Amino acid sequence: NFMLTQAHSVSESPGKTVTISCTRNSGSIATNYVQWYQQRPGSSPTTVIYEDSKRPSGVPDRFSGSIDRSSNSASLTISGLKTEDEADYYCQSYDNTNHWVFGGGTKVAVL
Amino acid sequence: EVQLVESGGGLVQPGRSLRLSCAASGFNFDGYAMHWVRQAQGKGPEWVSSISWDSGSVGYADSVKGRFIISRDNAKNSLYLEMNSLRPEDMAMYYCAKGLGRYQLPGGVDYWGQGTLVTVSA
Repeated sequence: NFMLTQAHSVSESPGKTVTISCTRNSGSIATNYVQWYQQRPGSSPTTVIYEDSKRPSGVPDRFSGSIDRSSNSASLTISGLKTEDEADYYCQSYDNTNHWVFGGGTKVAVL
Repeated sequence: EVQLVESGGGLVQPGRSLRLSCAASGFNFDGYAMHWVRQAQGKGPEWVSSISWDSGSVGYADSVKGRFIISRDNAKNSLYLEMNSLRPEDMAMYYCAKGLGRYQLPGGVDYWGQGTLVTVSA
């Protein structure tokens, strides 16, 4: 099976833009959709991006997702950072037998 | 508004069984696959099991295959997870989650419940 690798942490100031990457180590990132989940401390995960770039209802358009075939990675970009965006963010994909793979998570700090 | 409410968690001894339930509302339950995802304290999420809209297709993580059984009752808008031969490593928060389509694929979710805690200890 493949692995998804994320940076352990990133920090940025309020109002700025942060981009989190998720790199697939084997097979094409474009083969299966990537989802992004936000988990604030003490809360259950919520979905901020599904199917590479779609936002569930209620997720602000400050959150955007994309894939880059050249680097075989997916990215989550959060613009206009707010303190409420401080959370762990996990990328997730799956193989063709529906075995899911999660990235290790990126902790976003808004300083 | 999509709502997923899990129940049935608790303290159980190793080797015993537990049945989790998830009550769904706010969407066309019988139009979507459903999933169970768990998360141990301080760890990332781990997919556990999936079931298609009509229960025609199910899938399990290798770590639970042969011990857990996923099922659903579309008439009751409910999802279940029967957990047998529980092990200490099964201890986690268990989340019910709504799938992206009718079938297990694409594998992912767009809505999560609040979770129910399963503690496995003697």
